[in-house]
Amino acid sequence: DVKVTQSSRYLVKRTGEKVFLECVQDMDHENMFWYRQDPGLGLRLIYFSYDVKMKEKGDIPEGYSVSREKKERFSLILESASTNQTSMYLCASSGGTRETQYFGPGTRLLVL
Amino acid sequence: SQKIEQNSEALNIQEGKTATLTCNYTNYSPAYLQWYRQDPGRGPVFLLLIRENEKEKRKERLKVTFDTTLKQSLFHITASQPADSATYLCALSYYGQNFVFGPGTRLSVLP
Repeated sequence: DVKVTQSSRYLVKRTGEKVFLECVQDMDHENMFWYRQDPGLGLRLIYFSYDVKMKEKGDIPEGYSVSREKKERFSLILESASTNQTSMYLCASSGGTRETQYFGPGTRLLVL
Repeated sequence: SQKIEQNSEALNIQEGKTATLTCNYTNYSPAYLQWYRQDPGRGPVFLLLIRENEKEKRKERLKVTFDTTLKQSLFHITASQPADSATYLCALSYYGQNFVFGPGTRLSVLP
């Protein structure tokens, strides 16, 4: 079974703090993705990576950055957290053909 | 850009009946169309994939159809159970491109 794990299930941070969300997959997938999910807005792609050290902006990259130093690990960074970044963050991975995605359990982030 | 619509935000059905969820897209047909299940507070879980040259796919009580003429996929759960209550997302993917997700349909199976 494909396993995608995320570093935290719940996180509470203060405005202005730097936040790291980490994602690890064990299927040797080339592609990894970060989404945020908000009520009424569905899944929105923040960033994705198709190889180590490669990254591409998704639909809503503002206020976020990413890092992929190893194939199995993809980190999402909020340089200076703001209250409008309170959301559910989902990491996913997929193989080269992008037939399907495998998601992590999600991190619910609250920024106060 | 590609837009996906799922028939309704919420669907209530009686236990034992067949639930039918709809996914419509607007642009060119995808290479792959997938259905995911998402429980509250959890990440989506992959259920079924159907390719552009396939008409139908089955897995246990689940069935997916894909009509590229109508630009539509139907997702059926037969003999539905309260445990099937969840949000179901459809998603499209194209060769070498990213996934596009629908807004989801929240299914409630009433005992």
